[in-house]
Amino acid sequence: GQQVMQIPQYQHVQEGEDFTTYCNSSTTLSNIQWYKQRPGGHPVFLIQLVKSGEVKKQKRLTFQFGEAKKNSSLHITATQTTDVGTYFCARGGGATNKLIFGTGTLLAVQP
Amino acid sequence: DTAVSQTPKYLVTQMGNDKSIKCEQNLGHDTMYWYKQDSKKFLKIMFSYNNKELIINETVPNRFSPKSPDKAHLNLHINSLELGDSAVYFCASSQDESDAGWGTQYFGPGTRLLVL
Repeated sequence: GQQVMQIPQYQHVQEGEDFTTYCNSSTTLSNIQWYKQRPGGHPVFLIQLVKSGEVKKQKRLTFQFGEAKKNSSLHITATQTTDVGTYFCARGGGATNKLIFGTGTLLAVQP
Repeated sequence: DTAVSQTPKYLVTQMGNDKSIKCEQNLGHDTMYWYKQDSKKFLKIMFSYNNKELIINETVPNRFSPKSPDKAHLNLHINSLELGDSAVYFCASSQDESDAGWGTQYFGPGTRLLVL
């Protein structure tokens, strides 16, 4: 189906540790987007990946699209308390601009 | 200068009541959406409108009726509220092509609905 699975569901790290969340699909993805939702907030767009094997960086965040375009990852180096929140991947759903969101990974960072 | 705004922010009501949530975007986007986020944080699309026309209608009870008076507004009316309708409802908008990428969605702050 179109479901996008994310692992882990929850991750608790000490401040300064690294963090990675993975997004997996059973079908080839045309693109993948990543969003961050702070506690009590709304999802905010982070980045979009389109090309096979694409890697993009935003400061301490590294986003990667798999070679087969069936998976993606978000890696945060040296987490900070401001990184706390739920990270969602989302796959494109065709010409209707429909996005199918992954199950999300909740990141907790202990100072 | 809020890009996507929703009212109300909080809504507490009794089972069986009818309520509406309003959404407005000032981004000039053509497409607007309603999402439901349950207690497990799962985000599920409910409806999408493009230039006032309904283009996505997921499996949602017909107690939920969206209305788009113009492309900057998308309202959601819910009849006969049930306990299971308790959730956070997010409005969002997007444009086909933007600097941020295809289909990038801009979310409103959410409406927290609690049905008692």
